[in-house]
Amino acid sequence: SQKIEQNSEALNIQEGKTATLTCNYTNYSPAYLQWYRQDPGRGPVFLLLIRENEKEKRKERLKVTFDTTLKQSLFHITASQPADSATYLCALGSDSWGKLQFGAGTQVVVTP
Amino acid sequence: EAGVAQSPRYKIIEKRQSVAFWCNPISGHATLYWYQQILGQGPKLLIQFQNNGVVDDSQLPKDRFSAERLKGVDSTLKIQPAKLEDSAVYLCASSFGRTGGKETQYFGPGTRLLVL
Repeated sequence: SQKIEQNSEALNIQEGKTATLTCNYTNYSPAYLQWYRQDPGRGPVFLLLIRENEKEKRKERLKVTFDTTLKQSLFHITASQPADSATYLCALGSDSWGKLQFGAGTQVVVTP
Repeated sequence: EAGVAQSPRYKIIEKRQSVAFWCNPISGHATLYWYQQILGQGPKLLIQFQNNGVVDDSQLPKDRFSAERLKGVDSTLKIQPAKLEDSAVYLCASSFGRTGGKETQYFGPGTRLLVL
């Protein structure tokens, strides 16, 4: 069956450092991958989309890589700030209707 | 631009009771999604509408859950009768609905349901 795995343990990181999150998947051939941020008590907020033919995407302090051979995406937050503390969800899509399958998310805690 | 609106924000019911959630998507968005998010898990798609037609409801427990999107705008999700395991946050999302997918989904704040 299709499986999406994200680190279940919270990532504790010091302000200014780079946070790196992983998203691994099995039995899946996604056409694209999205990353969302979710704060407590709120709905997810879209951050980045990367397509299967793209290796890397950047947006401000965020960087996403997508390796379809390894079946893995890495999500980096550079120069992290306490305001980056949240849960980050990866979501895989493969059909033309926009249906997404989400991972469980990884909590990031940035301390001053 | 106004975001996705959901109500109520919180609901507490007893098992075997019924409950309904309402969602108003972003104006002009053709696609509407209902997700269930259990504590500690990612959102799980329950049903997806394209305008007022159902695109995917493969993970909707149809013996107790129902959803409709009249006139292709607002949507309601109903649970009848509720079970303890239905305790979760119910998220509504919408997107433009252009063909080819790969679209940003915009989420509402969710309705937190507790079934006692």
